[in-house]
Amino acid sequence: DIQMTQSPSSLSASVGDRVTITCQASQDISNYLNWYQQKPGKAPKLLIYDASNLETGVPSRFSGSGSGTDFTFTISSLQPEDIATYYCQQYDNLSITFGQGTRLEIK
Amino acid sequence: QVQLQESGPGLVKPSETLSLTCAVSGYSISSGYYWGWIRQPPGKGLEWIGSIYHSGSTYYNPSLKSRVTISVDTSKNQFSLKLSSVTAADTAVYYCARGIVATVDYWGQGTLVTVSS
Repeated sequence: DIQMTQSPSSLSASVGDRVTITCQASQDISNYLNWYQQKPGKAPKLLIYDASNLETGVPSRFSGSGSGTDFTFTISSLQPEDIATYYCQQYDNLSITFGQGTRLEIK
Repeated sequence: QVQLQESGPGLVKPSETLSLTCAVSGYSISSGYYWGWIRQPPGKGLEWIGSIYHSGSTYYNPSLKSRVTISVDTSKNQFSLKLSSVTAADTAVYYCARGIVATVDYWGQGTLVTVSS
């Protein structure tokens, strides 16, 4: 099984800050990496697919990069509505695994 | 607009079988995509349970494989989950979703299942 190591587990930042979350795969997954946002009591929402593609309707302040084993998710200017938990997710050989999640709070 | 809705008992006794159904609207399961289940224990992260294609091909999380069965009913445009021999560790919000072997683009709202006597 492919393991995903996501960091940090929690993060406190101010409105307007640039925020970065990383995810590392236990083996090469090419660009088979997605990012989701989950707000309390809600289902996760797809933000970035295939490492760097912005899902339709998602604000452009969200972006993703990386390939192989190392991936980065960035919010260019943090907004109050971005408070949530973020998950990376890999897909390989008809199975998926998620990172442990990053809880993002406003400072 | 694709919509998924989970249904089933919210309380299951230990050692019994958890059964959930996901009704899909706005898209025919027979048209494609994989469908399946993800769960989230209270306060914890997301865990893939398993996936099914309209043909009936299934793929399960190895850690749950011995207890999981996912089936599809294309005539009703729905699919189902059975998880046997449940314990308190199976208490979680269970989500049904589309695209569940790659990019999960549509999710149900989730249903909390508690395992308790």
